[in-house]
Amino acid sequence: EVQLVESGGGLVQPGGSLRLSCVASGFSFSTSWMSWVRQAPGKGPESLGNIKGDGSEIYYLDSLKGRFTISRDNAKNSVYLQMDSLRGEDTAIYYCARDDRYGGGWYHAYWGQGTLVTVSS
Amino acid sequence: EIVLTQSPATLSLSPGERATLSCRASQSPSGYLGWYQQKPGQAPRLLIWDASNRATGVPARFSGSGSGTDFTLTISSLEPEDFAVYYCQQRWNWPLTFGGGTNVEMK
Repeated sequence: EVQLVESGGGLVQPGGSLRLSCVASGFSFSTSWMSWVRQAPGKGPESLGNIKGDGSEIYYLDSLKGRFTISRDNAKNSVYLQMDSLRGEDTAIYYCARDDRYGGGWYHAYWGQGTLVTVSS
Repeated sequence: EIVLTQSPATLSLSPGERATLSCRASQSPSGYLGWYQQKPGQAPRLLIWDASNRATGVPARFSGSGSGTDFTLTISSLEPEDFAVYYCQQRWNWPLTFGGGTNVEMK
């Protein structure tokens, strides 16, 4: 069974940093594209970026470049989201997702339960 | 960036009724559009990929259609477990974008 478990969320002050983790199990992690997706209260999801199985390719939402960094450790079956210079608008539930190939492209096929990040003073 | 606009924002229906949800794109995603279902307190679940293909395990009452910039998700006969929020998403180009959602609520 595919399982994705996020952790590391919490309350952080504006300008602060947070590192989210996602531990995967039940599938071949090292060959899977993984994504981070967030969802602000009452809003639709927003894909933040993704990372190839071997870590050789990483893509980011343009508006996040320089503040957020995605990485992975295949030995630990884990993917990470380092978030710096946090702002109020970063308040959201953050999900990791496994991207599966459908019809020649990729969709977020499996999601974790999410971890809440609140940016507030 | 492709902007996806979903309508209506809320759909109030009874079990057994037909639900028709719309997703309009600011430019064509070339058919590479998916639909997700989200229930309260849960992560989204992929239902439809590339406009009309059901994901594994998705009941046949869910169907997707459309082309160009206009897409539709149809639930032929609503079951109690289908009341949820539905999002469309395009994967044609980066950034991947989602619509604002349609809340299918019980009348």
